[in-house]
Amino acid sequence: AQKITQTQPGMFVQEKEAVTLDCTYDTSDQSYGLFWYKQPSSGEMIFLIYQGSYDEQNATEGRYSLNFQKARKSANLVISASQLGDSAMYFCAMREPLLGAGNMLTFGGGTRLMVKP
Amino acid sequence: NAGVMQNPRHLVRRRGQEARLRCSPMKGHSHVYWYRQLPEEGLKFMVYLQKENIIDESGMPKERFSAEFPKEGPSILRIQQVVRGDSAAYFCASSPVAGGHNEQFFGPGTRLTVL
Repeated sequence: AQKITQTQPGMFVQEKEAVTLDCTYDTSDQSYGLFWYKQPSSGEMIFLIYQGSYDEQNATEGRYSLNFQKARKSANLVISASQLGDSAMYFCAMREPLLGAGNMLTFGGGTRLMVKP
Repeated sequence: NAGVMQNPRHLVRRRGQEARLRCSPMKGHSHVYWYRQLPEEGLKFMVYLQKENIIDESGMPKERFSAEFPKEGPSILRIQQVVRGDSAAYFCASSPVAGGHNEQFFGPGTRLTVL
């Protein structure tokens, strides 16, 4: 079963407008973490924002904010004032414990965001 | 402070050859993770290593794939007798600790193409 679901394969947004990228997750753990990464066409994975399951406030980092709704198991990324350089793939990920020790990240399928001038 | 280094950035192999992918974690990081990204998909966990130990390899294919993180030198992901389906981007990530927030810092990836 999908643990991280990103239902929007592609989205357009007008430059300078805000956009919300959806992410829902499935876990029975009480303690978990949610991440968003940006992958531009050059291919690297750029960390954007993190939300811990016990964090009471929604995480914010500059123009990025995470709309965390724990009861609905959603962790949507909001990008304000979109810029042309925001055009990229965006991945939502959840930190999951490994059986032995440590954690791994489980990624969604991604959303391709295209910013129109 | 240099980030996670991976080399080569691009690797082309013919079917049946071996591919060796290298990853140097960030300074001070002793935990290394390998992920694979097939075209148009998200990253999928392969293996988690600490120095000289494989901690979890639950995402690693059972045959042809192996990983190591020796006491000295980079972590190596080795793919023997490559097939076309191995064509993908392989990312390495490192973290300073195993638990907690432990943000994983990603390298730029190695793009493997099997002809």
